[in-house]
Amino acid sequence: DAGITQSPRHKVTETGTPVTLRCHQTENHRYMYWYRQDPGHGLRLIHYSYGVKDTDKGEVSDGYSVSRSKTEDFLLTLESATSSQTSVYFCASEGGDRFEQYFGPGTRLTVT
Amino acid sequence: AQRVTQPEKLLSVFKGAPVELKCNYSYSGSPELFWYVQYSRQRLQLLLRHISRESIKGFTADLNKGETSFHLKKPFAQEEDSAMYYCALSGRGSGAGSYQLTFGKGTKLSVIP
Repeated sequence: DAGITQSPRHKVTETGTPVTLRCHQTENHRYMYWYRQDPGHGLRLIHYSYGVKDTDKGEVSDGYSVSRSKTEDFLLTLESATSSQTSVYFCASEGGDRFEQYFGPGTRLTVT
Repeated sequence: AQRVTQPEKLLSVFKGAPVELKCNYSYSGSPELFWYVQYSRQRLQLLLRHISRESIKGFTADLNKGETSFHLKKPFAQEEDSAMYYCALSGRGSGAGSYQLTFGKGTKLSVIP
């Protein structure tokens, strides 16, 4: 599992509140990614990072921001959560074996 | 733009029957293609990639550039193969040598005992 964890694993929050999800990896991987998984949409890339403090937008970045101050941590923030952001969020990292991404266990977020 | 299409949302087969999960892609460069699998309530994991040409758990996939396809096949389905399968294509991202995986919407394989 490449030592990749996510916290929290489950969260219920109210519309309009800020939410931060954490991804932590112990493999010293350079690249990290945040995806959301929704029925009928598969996995869609939200943001990714190609190094400390280096991030870029993915396909569905609106309403999300990220930060990476250390190699091992990649944070996803919903500034003001909306019901459309109810989803399962997966973090992934990619290191020495090019193209193979290792996924975290996922965070199930419900926005009420 | 890169795109991955998995035309079947759900595929049900009987145990012992052959399985083929379809994947078509659109990409202007030389593609790197993968199959990821997600068993119930587990994280996604890489099943196989076309560059390694290996067989994992009895599954194989051949890249057909003419038909822009990367179908996943197994001659005899097992109950433990029931899972969600995602086809993915790796394309260059905008940042410093990064690559992005574009996933299809997934096919849920159900193997009937």
